[in-house]
Amino acid sequence: SAVISQKPSRDICQRGTSLTIQCQVDSQVTMMFWYRQQPGQSLTLIATANQGSEATYESGFVIDKFPISRPNLTFSTLTVSNMSPEDSSIYLCSATDGNYGYTFGSGTRLTVV
Amino acid sequence: SQQGEEDPQALSIQEGENATMNCSYKTSINNLQWYRQNSGRGLVHLILIRSNEREKHSGRLRVTLDTSKKSSSLLITASRAADTASYFCATVTTSGTYKYIFGTGTRLKVLA
Repeated sequence: SAVISQKPSRDICQRGTSLTIQCQVDSQVTMMFWYRQQPGQSLTLIATANQGSEATYESGFVIDKFPISRPNLTFSTLTVSNMSPEDSSIYLCSATDGNYGYTFGSGTRLTVV
Repeated sequence: SQQGEEDPQALSIQEGENATMNCSYKTSINNLQWYRQNSGRGLVHLILIRSNEREKHSGRLRVTLDTSKKSSSLLITASRAADTASYFCATVTTSGTYKYIFGTGTRLKVLA
């Protein structure tokens, strides 16, 4: 399975600012995804990061708030924009090679103050 | 929206006992996976079971899948304190999107 390096692992940010999270995969993968895990909750899919085109967002998530890039088959970024304390969560990226081998990054723990 | 609902939401057992967690989902799936998460850290993949399979084993783990009832169960036998974690089921539908939708999770506490 692919190995994902996700950074930063944690950050404390001021409200109104933006944070960009990066995920680097050690091999080419078919698809990449971004999830949010609010405190004490399960994982919620934010969007599918499409290589070379706009991400596909799930209901309740919009590009202006969570812009995503995927310039190639091994790298993706998620930006959390204009942050508020409600954005405090763990953000995780994941990737699949299309054969349902599925790997997760170690997560970014974001605290907005 | 969550695809899977898990029960119980929380489970507390003594070391050595068996723990059973259940997952129900809403639409036809291609496969279902179980993950473990320790204290908000990264997810650890446990088992993948495909829609044409009914049961799989891995060490002390046993997973069953009943597609007619749209449900799965995870059994951990002879539990250990180190099994204390949150457990999630995740499903991918037959739509070919490859995206996994996670259940609500079960918080397991194994008492030494």
